[in-house]
Amino acid sequence: KAGVTQTPRYLIKTRGQQVTLSCSPISGHRSVSWYQQTPGQGLQFLFEYFSETQRNKGNFPGRFSGRQFSNSRSEMNVSTLELGDSALYLCASSLGGLALYNEQFFGPGTRLTVL
Amino acid sequence: AQTVTQSQPEMSVQEAETVTLSCTYDTSESDYYLFWYKQPPSRQMILVIRQEAYKQQNATENRFSVNFQKAAKSFSLKISDSQLGDAAMYFCAYRSLNTGTASKLTFGTGTRLQVTL
Repeated sequence: KAGVTQTPRYLIKTRGQQVTLSCSPISGHRSVSWYQQTPGQGLQFLFEYFSETQRNKGNFPGRFSGRQFSNSRSEMNVSTLELGDSALYLCASSLGGLALYNEQFFGPGTRLTVL
Repeated sequence: AQTVTQSQPEMSVQEAETVTLSCTYDTSESDYYLFWYKQPPSRQMILVIRQEAYKQQNATENRFSVNFQKAAKSFSLKISDSQLGDAAMYFCAYRSLNTGTASKLTFGTGTRLQVTL
C-alpha cells in the first residue's frame, strides 16, 4: 500500500506570493491533518479535514486555508506569504472513523522557503 | 490547553547501550493518548510507540519501552541496545480523546539522539 505523498517536496516563493501544497493520503484514509514544523515554533497543528469538511483548526491566521476533495486528497493554501512561513509542512492521514484511535501516518513533507 | 515538554534538546548514546528520553506534559483531561515519534534526517515522521492513559501497563515495542507515570504526568522513552539507525529527532506527543480534537497532536520540542560507535 502506498504511503502518504506530498507534492511538491521543495518550493521557493517570494514574500507576498501565494502557494498551494498537496497531500495524497493512504488509500482508504478519510482524515488528513496538516502541521507546520519550524526550528523556532516546533511542530504546530494547522487543521484537519475529514470527508471534505474541516473538523479541527489550529491557531493560525486566515492566510492559511485548506480543503479536501472527494477522493480525500487535500490541499493547503497560504496567501500573502511572509518570511516566517518558511517551514516544513507535514501532512498526516488516518482512517478518521468513529474508533477512539486511528493511527496517523505522516508524509515526507514539503519544504517551503520564502525569500 | 495541553502542553508537552521535552527538556533534553540533545542526547548521545553509544551503540548497544540504553538511553532514556524524558517527556512531561500538562493536561486536565483524564483520558488521552501519548506517543513517541521518530523523525530521521529524511524527515518522514514514524510512530515509535503509543500509550493509552487508561492503561496502567507500560507500552513496549521490541527495544522501545515507556515509563508512564500518570500522576506525575511523565512519559519517558527507553531505547535498549541502541543502534545506529536509532539516530533521529524524537518527539513526544499528546492526543486528546475529545472527538472534536481527536486528530490533533500536540508535540514537544524534540530531542535529537546521536548514536556513536
